[in-house]
Amino acid sequence: GDSVTQTEGPVTVSESESLIINCTYSATSIAYPNLFWYVRYPGEGLQLLLKVITAGQKGSSRGFEATYNKETTSFHLQKASVQESDSAVYYCALDNNRIFFGDGTQLVVKP
Amino acid sequence: EAAVTQSPRNKVAVTGGKVTLSCNQTNNHNNMYWYRQDTGHGLRLIHYSYGAGSTEKGDIPDGYKASRPSQENFSLILELATPSQTSVYFCASGDGGVNQDTQYFGPGTRLLVL
Repeated sequence: GDSVTQTEGPVTVSESESLIINCTYSATSIAYPNLFWYVRYPGEGLQLLLKVITAGQKGSSRGFEATYNKETTSFHLQKASVQESDSAVYYCALDNNRIFFGDGTQLVVKP
Repeated sequence: EAAVTQSPRNKVAVTGGKVTLSCNQTNNHNNMYWYRQDTGHGLRLIHYSYGAGSTEKGDIPDGYKASRPSQENFSLILELATPSQTSVYFCASGDGGVNQDTQYFGPGTRLLVL
């Protein structure tokens, strides 16, 4: 079935360091599902961070980027320089008639 | 203003009791969803709805019922709560369309079943 696998957390980085959270997906009934990154800040619900609906394209938001790679079936989340306010839980997800979420990766940014 | 709200935000229930979790959205979205999230798991879909009067089973519907009396409201009902249903529950609404369903989430409800 469809599934999403992402970096197991927590991931701890220092402020201004670079970040990558890996995400790979498996979609059995559709070749190119829509891909998403959602984020949940402490005390809040999930919110969409970015989405890409076309293979080969890159999405970006709030300094984060993710490129839809259909060859490696990956959608890794990257940021060149993290801030303490980026501390949150990040979820990779795919949409194949309904959304499948990864388990989430907790990011802790140290000052 | 928050477009998806949930109530209560926190709930303590007793085993065998009935629990109703409520969700309201002002996005005018057709689709609504209930998920639960447990440590070590991603969000798991319990029930969803395509519009008023419709409810569909998700991946883990056992022990839960859902009700969609209107476009705005979607409730999750635990008729006989069990400790295994202790979790954080998220409601979401979606703007619909095949493969185009960005979801908008509520803040979550923490449920503890003793």
